[in-house]
Amino acid sequence: QVQLQESGPGLVEPSETLSLTCTVSGGSIKNYFWTWIRQPPGKGLEWIAHMYETGSSNYSPSLKSRVTISVDMSKNHFSLKLTSVTAADTAVYYCARGVPSEDYFYMDVWGKGTTVTVSS
Amino acid sequence: SNELTQPSSVSVSPGQTARITCSGDVLSKQYAYWFQQRPGQAPVMVIYKDNERPSGIPERFSGSSSGTKVTLTISGVQAEDEADYYCQSADSNGTYAHVLFGGGTKLSVL
Repeated sequence: QVQLQESGPGLVEPSETLSLTCTVSGGSIKNYFWTWIRQPPGKGLEWIAHMYETGSSNYSPSLKSRVTISVDMSKNHFSLKLTSVTAADTAVYYCARGVPSEDYFYMDVWGKGTTVTVSS
Repeated sequence: SNELTQPSSVSVSPGQTARITCSGDVLSKQYAYWFQQRPGQAPVMVIYKDNERPSGIPERFSGSSSGTKVTLTISGVQAEDEADYYCQSADSNGTYAHVLFGGGTKLSVL
């Protein structure tokens, strides 16, 4: 059964770059979409970006200027970079697998999430 | 607009039926997906493509769609169903669509 595990620093200083990795185990990274979602404390879910294994990607308009996602098939993982972070970027960050379906995808497996706090 | 609107809270007694709605113009053209999130846990998909139930999800969870509104129905609610529920859709077709989430509904089992 496929499992996803987020990893990265739990504390990032303001104006620095947040870098997270999602490792996929028990399955291939090929033929799926790979998505990042976050949830600020006490708030709802916010989509950040997604990428297909071919490299085509799409970003939330509100974060597009600061976000980069990438997939490393040799390591079976994908990554997120968010630049110039502020306290508003403090959240639990989730990665999720997207199963292609007709002309879209649905997120069937999620990681457990990793908490990132932006503070000096 | 490309927004999904959910009630902030719904309360039911054990054994009753809970209905959680989600409204948005995109829902007349795009499928809806529902996620359950228990406190301190990651979201779990309970309904996909409006009314399909993933394997392992109890039969008491069902979904329906009508125009710009979708509904998650939980029949015979159990205490373990107390959680936040999020609807999700997309603003268009294709891989370049933007993912949309509703604001979430807290289901309380009294």
